[in-house]
Amino acid sequence: DSGVTQTPKHLITATGQRVTLRCSPRSGDLSVYWYQQSLDQGLQFLIQYYNGEERAKGNILERFSAQQFPDLHSELNLSSLELGDSALYFCASSVGQGFGYEQYFGPGTRLTVT
Amino acid sequence: GESVGLHLPTLSVQEGDNSIINCAYSNSASDYFIWYKQESGKGPQFIIDIRSNMDKRQGQRVTVLLNKTVKHLSLQIAATQPGDSAVYFCAETFNYGQNFVFGPGTRLSVLP
Repeated sequence: DSGVTQTPKHLITATGQRVTLRCSPRSGDLSVYWYQQSLDQGLQFLIQYYNGEERAKGNILERFSAQQFPDLHSELNLSSLELGDSALYFCASSVGQGFGYEQYFGPGTRLTVT
Repeated sequence: GESVGLHLPTLSVQEGDNSIINCAYSNSASDYFIWYKQESGKGPQFIIDIRSNMDKRQGQRVTVLLNKTVKHLSLQIAATQPGDSAVYFCAETFNYGQNFVFGPGTRLSVLP
C-alpha cells in the first residue's frame, strides 16, 4: 500500500459526458501527479501540482483539467469524453516539487467510455 | 488483473538467474532516469533511479547502468525471483524537470 488513495476504482460512462477522478496523496506529500495509461499510448504524464499550484504540464488534453485543493487532495476532470479516453488514470504523490523526488502511485481509476 | 500493454516485449528468465532489461531513451538532454515496476492491477512502483552525472547505481539486488553515449539505460536484477514478474518501465526527465516520459515497458516473466 503506497498510501495514495484514488476514487472511484472503476468508472463507466458514455461519450460526451464529464467525470471527476479524485486523489488523496500520502500524508506529508505536497506534490500530486496525474498519469494516463492506455494500451496504445502507454504511460503518459498529464499534469503536476505542488502545494496547490500547477508546476508541470505534459500531454494533457484541453478537455481535461485538474486542481489541487488546500487539503492537498486533487481532482482530475475529464469532459466531452471520447472512446479513446478509456484508460487507467493514476495519481502519484511526492514530498517535493520536482520529478527528482520519489513518486508513490495510487491503485488507479479505470475509466471506460462507451 | 489489468492488462498493461498486451503487446509488450517479454523477457523470460529462469528463477535464480540474473535479468537484464534494456531501455533506449531519446533525449540527450535528459538528466534523471528512473526504473519502475508495475504488477498486474497495481500502480507503478519506484525501483531505482540514476542521475545523468553517474553511470552506475546499485540497490538491493538491482543495478542500473547508464550509457549516455548511446542513450541506453539498463536494469539488472540479480537472482530473479517469482515476485519479480511484472512490467518494468524506464522513465526520463528533461527540460529542467518539466517533462517526464515513460518508455514502452518490458514484461518480465520468471519461470520456475
